[in-house]
Amino acid sequence: KAGVTQTPRYLIKTRGQQVTLSCSPISGHRSVSWYQQTPGQGLQFLFEYFSETQRNKGNFPGRFSGRQFSNSRSEMNVSTLELGDSALYLCASSNGHAGGGDTQYFGPGTRLTVL
Amino acid sequence: KNEVEQSPQNLTAQEGEFITINCSYSVGISALHWLQQHPGGGIVSLFMLSSGKKKHGRLIATINIQEKHSSLHITASHPRDSAVYICAVGDMDSNYQLIWGAGTKLIIKP
Repeated sequence: KAGVTQTPRYLIKTRGQQVTLSCSPISGHRSVSWYQQTPGQGLQFLFEYFSETQRNKGNFPGRFSGRQFSNSRSEMNVSTLELGDSALYLCASSNGHAGGGDTQYFGPGTRLTVL
Repeated sequence: KNEVEQSPQNLTAQEGEFITINCSYSVGISALHWLQQHPGGGIVSLFMLSSGKKKHGRLIATINIQEKHSSLHITASHPRDSAVYICAVGDMDSNYQLIWGAGTKLIIKP
């Protein structure tokens, strides 16, 4: 099976712009989670989708949003970009609930730079 | 206080040494995961534990549910084990949301 893919891999934007990142999970996986990782920081949970429904949400402002499509592919959007949004954005997929014990498989990430 | 605490934050050791990384948590959990993040950023799941002990090659993971503590051990450490090791737990009281530790940065010197 193909692994988790994320597009684009690198992105440069300016403050105030918006950005959409895409994640394609492993075939058959129904859960997609998004994380933000800033330099020197641990993983910060953004949200989790399961069968097109947001199941959990982290403590991020409303500028961060996401959705999941019927084929389990997921997108996250960040509006009105700020310098502090520069980070590696990671997507992970699992068949069921990673918190319930299913293994998560991570994509390579999208590195976003906001100038 | 963080709900998931890892120790040490940083660990430097010589090749061949026995390594122990600890993870303590304060919530009721459904499962505990150990993951490895390579310097290039890729993250790989190592273990999922709900009880007892698991072994894969030179890696051993244990969990004590009563003490709310887990350990990751590396035997005969090698420079290629250099990475950040992350512990994450599924919180039973928060819809099984994963709560992440800050990670332990391990450097193995040849």
